[in-house]
Amino acid sequence: QKEVEQDPGPLSVPEGAIVSLNCTYSNSAFQYFMWYRQYSRKGPELLMYTYSSGNKEDGRFTAQVDKSSKYISLFIRDSQPSDSATYLCAMPDAGGTSYGKLTFGQGTILTVHP
Amino acid sequence: EPEVTQTPSHQVTQMGQEVILRCVPISNHLYFYWYRQILGQKVEFLVSFYNNEISEKSEIFDDQFSVERPDGSNFTLKIRSTKLEDSAMYFCASSVRPTYEQYFGPGTRLTVT
Repeated sequence: QKEVEQDPGPLSVPEGAIVSLNCTYSNSAFQYFMWYRQYSRKGPELLMYTYSSGNKEDGRFTAQVDKSSKYISLFIRDSQPSDSATYLCAMPDAGGTSYGKLTFGQGTILTVHP
Repeated sequence: EPEVTQTPSHQVTQMGQEVILRCVPISNHLYFYWYRQILGQKVEFLVSFYNNEISEKSEIFDDQFSVERPDGSNFTLKIRSTKLEDSAMYFCASSVRPTYEQYFGPGTRLTVT
């Protein structure tokens, strides 16, 4: 079983739609969760950073963590064409000797069409 | 807003040549990383660096790879003898603490011919 699984899509939605992006993970030691946005041939841009279970909201973005199910989500409200990108979930090692190695999902390709 | 910078943006090299990829992490960050992404594939961890030494490395990071912080600002990745399969985007990242947010640079696209 892969450590982090993410449906690669592609996902195509109309402008204004609510988008739901998801990852599952197998390593119960993961405690911190990040969502990145990556435009084609660019570096990952950090969108959201959360710790433990619950919700975190930042503008149109909401990150949700369910540690009991090992499932994390990113919701985008009122999606815009500029949101078209690949969305990556990532989790750092958090063990006692950890130095923060990130494990990434495959990435979900999102297209928001006008 | 502070950001991670990387140079060059694109490097073309011949197989067997040495390349050095350069990064300037965010100034108050203490943990530094290199990742790579082969076209169409996942972002993969290569190495982490803290307190002037390698703290963790992946199986990809073999003897052909090395990292260095030659001064107080730069962080470099050297590939001694490049192979075709080293062609990828290489990203530098930095963080205040290992479990805190990691910020990535724009990447260097390495093409080995």
